[in-house]
Amino acid sequence: GDSVTQMEGPVTLSEEACLTINCTYTATGYPSLFWYVQYPGEGLQLLLKATKADDKGSNKGFEATYRKETTSFHLEKGSVQVSDSAVYFCALSPIQGAQKLVFGQGTRLTINP
Amino acid sequence: NAGVTQTPKFRVLKTGQSMTLLCAQDMNHEYMYWYRQDPGMGLRLIHYSVGEGTTAKGEVPDGYNVSRLKKQNFLLGLESAAPSQTSVYFCASSRTGLSYNEQFFGPGTRLTVL
Repeated sequence: GDSVTQMEGPVTLSEEACLTINCTYTATGYPSLFWYVQYPGEGLQLLLKATKADDKGSNKGFEATYRKETTSFHLEKGSVQVSDSAVYFCALSPIQGAQKLVFGQGTRLTINP
Repeated sequence: NAGVTQTPKFRVLKTGQSMTLLCAQDMNHEYMYWYRQDPGMGLRLIHYSVGEGTTAKGEVPDGYNVSRLKKQNFLLGLESAAPSQTSVYFCASSRTGLSYNEQFFGPGTRLTVL
């Protein structure tokens, strides 16, 4: 079945450091790929998405590129801020049938000033 | 525009008790979903609905029932709670079921079963 694997956390960085959170997936065909973010005490919200191979999603300085050849969708940011501290979830939605998101286990990110 | 709201925010139950979690959305979305979030496991789909009056099973449906009598509401019921159902429950909605659509999440309900 479809699955998503994220790098294990927690991840702790200093402000202005570079960030990469790895995400790989297993799926049939060409799923849509997402990064959702969960700030403390809140529900998940969409950070960015990509719907076909080589697409790049971007938002709030974060980027991720849909790599079909490596089945990956790594999240990157060049300079993190304290306000980026949150839990980040990689997810896929199969191309067929009702949209049923399959989530990775989540990566907790803490940014220290 | 409140988006997706969930009631209650916190609840403690004893084993064997029942309860209903309420999810409401004001975006006129067709699809609604219930997930549970457990440490180290991400979110897993319990049940979902593709429209008013419809429900379908997700990945982990055992021990739960759902109803979608009105388009804006999606109820999750636990008939006889078990400690394994201790979790954080999230409701979500989306405009359509197309794979690229964004899902909008509620703030969650933290349930503890003793």
